[in-house]
Amino acid sequence: SQKIEQNSEALNIQEGKTATLTCNYTNYSPAYLQWYRQDPGRGPVFLLLIRENEKEKRKERLKVTFDTTLKQSLFHITASQPADSATYLCALGEAGTALIFGKGTTLSVSS
Amino acid sequence: GAVVSQHPSRVICKSGTSVKIECRSLDFQATTMFWYRQFPKKSLMLMATSNEGSKATYEQGVEKDKFLINHASLTLSTLTVTSAHPEDSSFYICSARSGDRGNTGELFFGEGSRLTVL
Repeated sequence: SQKIEQNSEALNIQEGKTATLTCNYTNYSPAYLQWYRQDPGRGPVFLLLIRENEKEKRKERLKVTFDTTLKQSLFHITASQPADSATYLCALGEAGTALIFGKGTTLSVSS
Repeated sequence: GAVVSQHPSRVICKSGTSVKIECRSLDFQATTMFWYRQFPKKSLMLMATSNEGSKATYEQGVEKDKFLINHASLTLSTLTVTSAHPEDSSFYICSARSGDRGNTGELFFGEGSRLTVL
């Protein structure tokens, strides 16, 4: 069956450390993968997109990798801050279909 | 970035009544909008794809007679939950892509609508 799994439901780290979130998938052939941030009671906000032929993407303190052999994407936040505390969702896009979302990982950054 | 506005943000209704949720793209035209439902600590579940000027495409297991979707213009899609029951209580979120970002572009989400059916 098809699955999208984000490594853990919750991740707690200290301010200044690098947060690493994992997104694994099975029985999908995504053409691209996206990461979103969702704050409580709000709609998700787009962060980054990475395509199947790209290994890595960066945007300010964010970095995303995409390994289609391992069927995995890693999402890194460097020099994390309390304001980075939120739920982060990965989403897969296959050709011609709507985005499919993972359950999300809730990140808490303590000062 | 593009803005999607969703209204109302919260609604409480009695069992058996109908509730309409509006989703508007404020600064771009959206030929396609998506409606999602989200339960606490669960992923966003795609309910249907709303296409301007034509019928919505519903995902398997979603009752189209219960969740009526209308996409009457390039900037407005509505979701009506008919004869609501307590199990319909959820967080409903709409999203859209801006046309110039192609089919792989990011989704712009509304703020969501929290429906509580008593």
